[in-house]
Amino acid sequence: GAVVSQHPSWVICKSGTSVKIECRSLDFQATTMFWYRQFPKQSLMLMATSNEGSKATYEQGVEKDKFLINHASLTLSTLTVTSAHPEDSSFYICSALDRRGYEQYFGPGTRLTVT
Amino acid sequence: DQQVKQNSPSLSVQEGRISILNCDYTNSMFDYFLWYKKYPAEGPTFLISISSIKDKNEDGRFTVFLNKSAKHLSLHIVPSQPGDSAVYFCAASKSSGDKLTFGTGTRLAVRP
Repeated sequence: GAVVSQHPSWVICKSGTSVKIECRSLDFQATTMFWYRQFPKQSLMLMATSNEGSKATYEQGVEKDKFLINHASLTLSTLTVTSAHPEDSSFYICSALDRRGYEQYFGPGTRLTVT
Repeated sequence: DQQVKQNSPSLSVQEGRISILNCDYTNSMFDYFLWYKKYPAEGPTFLISISSIKDKNEDGRFTVFLNKSAKHLSLHIVPSQPGDSAVYFCAASKSSGDKLTFGTGTRLAVRP
């Protein structure tokens, strides 16, 4: 089956630093990837849609200058949390769209803790 | 504005019985619906989906029913097993492959 990986699986950083999270589709090409965020005991909220070779589309209320998304290849999208603050601590999940079947496959998630 | 709602935050069912999880949505543009199973600190696992041209889709122990006029869908798990214990999310999109709007989740506990 289609596999999506995320790296790192968890990360702790200090307030004010930047953190990069990678999302890779391992056995298929993904022209579109989605980034979600989940706070404890809450739902998954879409942050942005990442399209290969073009700018990401951000959902309302998501700061594009804070959450930088780069989708440089058909198998890799990155989310960079810039100048992280404790309120950015969350579980970040990506999904990759397999154009062959129009199915979204989710990564295992990355837990970010900002101290 | 929560466009997809799961009004029961938790559900407890005896092993072997039926589990029924409910989901309501408000956006009439939603045309494709999915159910996911999720464990803490893991990504969602796809269970089953349904498009608006159908009112039922079945896959093994899982059946999803869609009532488009009521903007309501439900997931039936029969028979329930302890391994089904997890948080279940319904999700909706305007078409297959489009961005997903997730519900609030229902924690299912299946008692042995």
